[in-house]
Amino acid sequence: AQSVAQPEDQVNVAEGNPLTVKCTYSVSGNPYLFWYVQYPNRGLQFLLKYITGDNLVKGSYGFEAEFNKSQTSFHLKKPSALVSDSALYFCAVKPEGAGSYQLTFGKGTKLSVIP
Amino acid sequence: DTAVSQTPKYLVTQMGNDKSIKCEQNLGHDTMYWYKQDSKKFLKIMFSYNNKELIINETVPNRFSPKSPDKAHLNLHINSLELGDSAVYFCASSRMGGPSTEAFFGQGTRLTVV
Repeated sequence: AQSVAQPEDQVNVAEGNPLTVKCTYSVSGNPYLFWYVQYPNRGLQFLLKYITGDNLVKGSYGFEAEFNKSQTSFHLKKPSALVSDSALYFCAVKPEGAGSYQLTFGKGTKLSVIP
Repeated sequence: DTAVSQTPKYLVTQMGNDKSIKCEQNLGHDTMYWYKQDSKKFLKIMFSYNNKELIINETVPNRFSPKSPDKAHLNLHINSLELGDSAVYFCASSRMGGPSTEAFFGQGTRLTVV
């Protein structure tokens, strides 16, 4: 069975500093990887995905993520954090060829950007 | 225009009642889902439905049932509500054309059973 680990419940970063939200995964075969963001009292919004190709994926709001197959990781990054980036971030994985029903989410990481 | 919309946004009800949550998507997607987010923010898939197939997470009690009057709607019916059903329920949709398509989520319905 596939799984996603987000080892940090909370990440605090000062505004303007780079941020990283960590994600590791376990899946049979090649993974399809996703990042979603949830703002307070809102639904999840899609940020970016890795399917194949370039290991560095760029997404919405200046976020990017790097796929590392040997470390089974897909960390979310941003060069300069904004206070408005404060939210709950979810990493998700599904096996290559699987439908969205098999999308497995991590438990989420709360990002707080301090002014 | 809201892509995936759910109503109501908040629902407070007594134990034992039956309630429904409505979901509509205007994205032309052919697959819709219901997720449950518990108090620890953990997300769990409950159902996946398109016009050909309903997939049910076997851990979901049969008091929960999805009803789809058409491709754009997937409503969630809950019978005999229990305290443990209190959670935020999210509807989502995606295209079926290819496994890499991402899901779009509604704003959620916060259900409180008292």
